[in-house]
Parts: sequence; structure tokens; C-alpha cells
Amino acid sequence: AQTVTQSQPEMSVQEAETVTLSCTYDTSENNYYLFWYKQPPSRQMILVIRQEAYKQQNATENRFSVNFQKAAKSFSLKISDSQLGDTAMYFCAFDGEYGNKLVFGAGTILRVKS
Amino acid sequence: DTAVSQTPKYLVTQMGNDKSIKCEQNLGHDTMYWYKQDSKKFLKIMFSYNNKELIINETVPNRFSPKSPDKAHLNLHINSLELGDSAVYFCASSQDRPSTDTQYFGPGTRLTVL
Repeated sequence: AQTVTQSQPEMSVQEAETVTLSCTYDTSENNYYLFWYKQPPSRQMILVIRQEAYKQQNATENRFSVNFQKAAKSFSLKISDSQLGDTAMYFCAFDGEYGNKLVFGAGTILRVKS
Repeated sequence: DTAVSQTPKYLVTQMGNDKSIKCEQNLGHDTMYWYKQDSKKFLKIMFSYNNKELIINETVPNRFSPKSPDKAHLNLHINSLELGDSAVYFCASSQDRPSTDTQYFGPGTRLTVL
């Protein structure tokens, strides 16, 4: 079974600075998909970014980018120019090539300070 | 327009009662899901339906019974509620598997069992 590990329960960053959230996963599959979801205090789950394992290029979405290291099974999220609205719980998630569900990590609480 | 809606948003009830949570999506998606987020914010899939057919049942107690009257609706009925059922329940939908198509989440239903 796949597992997703987020080793940082909480992180803080100053506004306008850069922060990196860590995620590692375990799978025997070669093709799979990785995601970062954001859950602000409103509780809504919002997709931040996704990465397909067969693509070597790291995904980027505006201020959000990932560092995908397939051999190391690592998938970190970098947030540049942090904003107060980035304060949220961030979940790393995995879906296998033939799976039909998201497997989530335990989450990292990110607090952006002014 | 809300893409994935859930009712109610908050539910407080006594142990032993039976309750239902409703979910509707207006995105025309074929696949719908129920996730449970416990008090430690850990998010785990419970059920997945594709075109009204159950495709994932993650060893959830029999007291939980999903019902999909049509593709746009996936309701969750819980019998004989227990204290441990207290959690936030999220409904989600996607056109296809979450790996190939973005999964949209509802706002969540916070269930409190007293």
C-alpha cells in the first residue's frame, strides 16, 4: 500500500519570504501522480499543484513550484513570496496509475507572519 | 454557483442516532467520493462511486452506507452513531480518476456526536 509522509507538523514563514514543505512517499509503481492540496481555516480543500511521475519537469503554478525527486521518492512544495493568504494546512497526496483514490499525508500547518 | 455542495455543514447529535449527509455536484462528473477528516486533521477516503456504482470501500464499518440515487448525488447515511464518528466529512467529485482529472471538494460537514 502506498504511504505519504509529511515530517513537518508546523512551519512558519515571514511574509514575502520563501518556504519549502517536505513530502516523501512510498510506492512500487512506476507511473503515478502527486498533489499538493491547501486547506485554509475555511476548511475548503483546494488543489494547489499536481505532478505526473513520468514527467521530469517540475510543475509550477505561479508562486508555487515543486521539487520532484523520483528516485528519492520526494515531492516538496516551494512557496515563493509568501502571502498572509497562504496560511493554511497543506496536504501532500498520491494516486497510483491504476488507483482511484487520493492517499493523503498527515498535513503541515503553515503560518505566514506579517 | 457551488460546484460541490454538502448539507448540512454542521451536525450535532446524540450517540445511537441515525443521520444522513447529502452531497450534490453540478459539474457533470462521473465519480464521487466521501472522505473523513479526524480530529488530528488526517484525511482518508471512505467510499468512491463511479456512475452510481461503488468502486472503493475502504474497510468502513457497516454502519456507514453511501447511496447514489444518480450521478450528481452521493449521500452518506450513518446508523447508530458513536463518539468516534465525530469528524469532518468531505464529499468530492471528479470527471475521471483523481490522477487524470482534478478532484473538487465540498465544504465539509462537521459531525459532532455527544
